[in-house]
Amino acid sequence: SYVLTQPPSVSVDPGKTAKITCGGHSIGGKSVHWYQQRPGQAPVMVIHYDSDRPSGIPERFSGSNSGDTATLTITRVEAGDEADYYCQVWVSGVDLPQFGSGTKLTVL
Amino acid sequence: QVQLQESGPGLVKPSETLSLTCTVTGGSVTSGTFYWSWIRQPPGKGLEWIGYIDFTGRTNYNPSLKSRVTISEDSSKKQFSLKVNSVTTADTAVYYCVRGGGYADPFDYWGQGTLVTVSS
Repeated sequence: SYVLTQPPSVSVDPGKTAKITCGGHSIGGKSVHWYQQRPGQAPVMVIHYDSDRPSGIPERFSGSNSGDTATLTITRVEAGDEADYYCQVWVSGVDLPQFGSGTKLTVL
Repeated sequence: QVQLQESGPGLVKPSETLSLTCTVTGGSVTSGTFYWSWIRQPPGKGLEWIGYIDFTGRTNYNPSLKSRVTISEDSSKKQFSLKVNSVTTADTAVYYCVRGGGYADPFDYWGQGTLVTVSS
């Protein structure tokens, strides 16, 4: 099976930049999507197709993907960004979507 | 604007069948080239894709659940449904119906989720 590895937690001061990574074998060859899940709420897509931002998502959110690592970057972090973040890819061959284990972003 | 809403019992007994329905507004299960998925999240844990039904009615399931899961659609009612047989306490989770999940497509619209508890 294809494994996506995310750090369990990332902490950042308000106003600083947070980087959340998603590791996987040759993930740079796949399309990566990112979801934000605030406590008690359903996930929301914040980045799709590696680096595209859906309508309504602040420009502070950006994504990149190369080699074995995809990265979600959040600049000028706010208290409202505190949430769990999940990466997701489509795994060809077995033909199913796969989520990372999730990263809890804490705003200090 | 596509909206999805889950409905169904919040409590199911062990060994019985979990049944949920998702009602789609602002779209149709059989129009376009979209996929319609079920995803679940056990309390305090991550997201697990259960399966999808596509715009042709074809289904695809997570191998870990395939033997117990059925996803079907009722296009006239703009609904699609999930059945999980022989449930155990490990099936206790928030269940989400979601648009997307086919090939490289993202999960772009989510229902609010419904908690299903398996307990006697």
